[in-house]
Amino acid sequence: RKEVEQDPGPFNVPEGATVAFNCTYSNSASQSFFWYRQDCRKEPKLLMSVYSSGNEDGRFTAQLNRASQYISLLIRDSKLSDSATYLCVVNTDFNKFYFGSGTKLNVKP
Amino acid sequence: SAVISQKPSRDICQRGTSLTIQCQVDSQVTMMFWYRQQPGQSLTLIATANQGSEATYESGFVIDKFPISRPNLTFSTLTVSNMSPEDSSIYLCSVELGTGEDTQYFGPGTRLTVL
Repeated sequence: RKEVEQDPGPFNVPEGATVAFNCTYSNSASQSFFWYRQDCRKEPKLLMSVYSSGNEDGRFTAQLNRASQYISLLIRDSKLSDSATYLCVVNTDFNKFYFGSGTKLNVKP
Repeated sequence: SAVISQKPSRDICQRGTSLTIQCQVDSQVTMMFWYRQQPGQSLTLIATANQGSEATYESGFVIDKFPISRPNLTFSTLTVSNMSPEDSSIYLCSVELGTGEDTQYFGPGTRLTVL
C-alpha cells in the first residue's frame, strides 16, 4: 500500500470555480503535512503547510483529518494560473517525506 | 526559504558513463536530500546527504550506484554511476533549513537522459 494516495485527475474546471482535492495517508504516526505545487518541468514548490486546526491562505484552504487520515485542499475562485499538479506530502515519524503522485488541475477560460 | 542551484540543469549521456550533479545552497542548512522523479511519476527519496559522514540510502538505492558527497553545510553532489536508460529521470536536491520548520525546499532539478 502506498504511503500517500491521491486522485491523479485531471480536474478540468472553468475559471472562477471551486475545486477540492483529497489525499489519504497510511501512517497514523505521521507528524506534518504539506501541499506542494509543481508546474510542468519545474521543481515542486511549497504551497502551504497543513495544520491540525485547518488553515487558510487567500483562496486556498487546507484541512487535516487525523481520525480518517486524510488531507484536503480547497481552491476557491480558480485562476488560469492555478493550473498545475498538486502534490500531497506527509512527513512520518522518521522525518521522511512521502509524496503523493499528484493531482493535475486544468483551469480553463 | 533558501536559494538552491543545481548543475547541470540537463544532460544527455551515453549508457555506461557516470554523471555528477551538484547542489549549492546560499546558506548553511541542516539537512540535504536527493530525490528522483521519473517521467509521469512523483518524487522518490534516494538518500539523505549527511555532512561529514556517509549518506543514508533508502530501500532500493545503493552507494555504488548513487555515491553522494556532502563536504559542508551548503554543498552536495550526487553521482549516477554506470548509467542505463532506466536512469533517465529528473534528479532534485532539497534542503531543510533547520529553523524549526520541517519544510523542504527544492532545487530546480537536473533532467538526465541516458541513451
